[in-house]
Amino acid sequence: DGGITQSPKYLFRKEGQNVTLSCEQNLNHDAMYWYRQDPGQGLRLIYYSQIVNDFQKGDIAEGYSVSREKKESFPLTVTSAQKNPTAFYLCASSTPAGQRNNQPQHFGDGTRLSIL
Amino acid sequence: GQQVMQIPQYQHVQEGEDFTTYCNSSTTLSNIQWYKQRPGGHPVFLIQLVKSGEVKKQKRLTFQFGEAKKNSSLHITATQTTDVGTYFCAGTSGTYKYIFGTGTRLKVLA
Repeated sequence: DGGITQSPKYLFRKEGQNVTLSCEQNLNHDAMYWYRQDPGQGLRLIYYSQIVNDFQKGDIAEGYSVSREKKESFPLTVTSAQKNPTAFYLCASSTPAGQRNNQPQHFGDGTRLSIL
Repeated sequence: GQQVMQIPQYQHVQEGEDFTTYCNSSTTLSNIQWYKQRPGGHPVFLIQLVKSGEVKKQKRLTFQFGEAKKNSSLHITATQTTDVGTYFCAGTSGTYKYIFGTGTRLKVLA
């Protein structure tokens, strides 16, 4: 059964600590995305990747880092430089936006990150 | 930069009433998608509109894409309690990313 798996579901970060959120997909999608959602808010783009070994900053990339070493995986690291990391983090994948036959974005179940 | 606004931010309706949310972009869009997010859940794709003036229906849901491809709307006829959630539009202007609207949170009172 194809889909996107995010882990962990809940994560707690201590001051000064880096934490990494996992995102794995078996949909054979080239594009992957990370979004941040704050309570009662919309989705803001953190990073996105159209192809392996390439990624681009979104609208709120400061304090975050990503890697795309495999097509299936797009982990997000929340660094200590991100001073307000408490939020709901959503990973998504799709065929790359901008193509004529765009496919929908498929989302994982999300990771809720909180500060200890 | 490109912005996508949605109105209203919140809407409370009695079950059986109609509901409409509007999406407006600061730039012309290549296409627009609509998503529904149930409370505590993740966004789930509903539909994509590509052509100017396009109208699509899914049972009680009607989606429209404006002639200028800068606005879109979602209309739900005779709401049910299962319609509760936040509805997002997401558009792209040909770049390799989607910009999500601010969302409209719908509550349906039984």
